Amino acid sequence: DIRMTQSPSTLSASVGDRVTITCRASQSVSIWLAWYQQKPGKAPKVLISKASNLESGVPSRFSGSGSGTDFTLTISSLQRDDFATYYCQQYHTHLYSFGQGTKLEI
Amino acid sequence: EVQLVESGGGLIQPGGSLRLSCAVSGFSVSNNYMSWVRQAPGSGLEWVSILYSSGSTYYIDSVKGRFTISRDNSRNTVYLQMNSLRAGDTAVYYCARSMNGIVDYWGQGAVVTVSS
Repeated sequence: DIRMTQSPSTLSASVGDRVTITCRASQSVSIWLAWYQQKPGKAPKVLISKASNLESGVPSRFSGSGSGTDFTLTISSLQRDDFATYYCQQYHTHLYSFGQGTKLEI
Repeated sequence: EVQLVESGGGLIQPGGSLRLSCAVSGFSVSNNYMSWVRQAPGSGLEWVSILYSSGSTYYIDSVKGRFTISRDNSRNTVYLQMNSLRAGDTAVYYCARSMNGIVDYWGQGAVVTVSS
């Protein structure tokens, strides 16, 4: 099974900041990596697929990069609505897996 | 309109069994990849099981031999049979459709609490 490790686990930031979350896979997942945003009590929402593909309706301040084992999610200028928990997810193998999450807080 | 509606959660003693159901409308479960994803209290997301349109199934190691994912095409419903439940299985269980590897639709979640 592929293990996904995110860092940091918690990130404190302010509105307007540029933030980066990293995700590392225990083996190559090529570009088969997605990023989700989850708010308390809600189901996750996909932001990015194929490592860098912005999903429809997602603000352009979100971007993703990477391939193989190392990936990043960047938010260029934090908005208040962005404070949430973020997960990476690989879909390279038959059974997908998530990172442990990064909580972005004020 | 697409809807995934879970049912069957509840409080169960360790060693007991539960069957979660996910009634789907808006697409056919037989043509899609359907999954169960869980989230323990205060914890992250964990992909529990996936059922491919081909009928192939996969599970995380911690539930292999205890959980079974299945579908009833006539009812357009996906199930998760959970046996020999443990305290560590306590979580909100989400039914999800994963097209091309990413989840585009989620259910509202079913709460499973394993406790004596």
